[in-house]
Amino acid sequence: DAGITQSPRYKITETGRQVTLMCHQTWSHSYMFWYRQDLGHGLRLIYYSAAADITDKGEVPDGYVVSRSKTENFPLTLESATRSQTSVYFCASSPMGSTNEKLFFGSGTQLSVL
Amino acid sequence: KQEVTQIPAALSVPEGENLVLNCSFTDSAIYNLQWFRQDPGKGLTSLLLIQSSQREQTSGRLNASLDKSSGRSTLYIAASQPGDSATYLCAVRWGGGFKTIFGAGTRLFVKA
Repeated sequence: DAGITQSPRYKITETGRQVTLMCHQTWSHSYMFWYRQDLGHGLRLIYYSAAADITDKGEVPDGYVVSRSKTENFPLTLESATRSQTSVYFCASSPMGSTNEKLFFGSGTQLSVL
Repeated sequence: KQEVTQIPAALSVPEGENLVLNCSFTDSAIYNLQWFRQDPGKGLTSLLLIQSSQREQTSGRLNASLDKSSGRSTLYIAASQPGDSATYLCAVRWGGGFKTIFGAGTRLFVKA
């Protein structure tokens, strides 16, 4: 089915480990986004990408790395996980620049850093 | 600083009641505004998107209005149902960028 999928759904890791969260969309949307959702902070933008090989920082990029070698994939890597990165991570995509600029979200990855 | 605020944080109403959720934003030079629904443990689902040139959008029992001059948007839900229970988030994108800022949301509970 078409849509945006995230994996894994749940992840537990230890401080200092590298973790990669995956995001895949089948709509060929040009824009993709990574958000984290925390109590008291709401949704905050980590990184976004306007197209393959074009990425830019959002509000809270420190400690994260992204890449986008293909339009449909936008993985998020925590280079050395910290407890403060325990959160729910959402990937989103959008056909920005068209008449329909809605954001479409994945189901999220719940990450716990112990 | 561009900010989005939603009041109240939580709302409980009896089934069948019409209700209004509020969203306010700083800086009236917005590009568009979206209302989302989020169920517990799930992702966000876009309900309505209003472009800066529009005053309102409707979908079924939902109506969203936009007043840029006052920095406000409202989401009107008619004849509420228990299935409407969820958190509703407002998100604003300002012109000149692609960043969308979210409000903290209003948690709605519709009692049967």
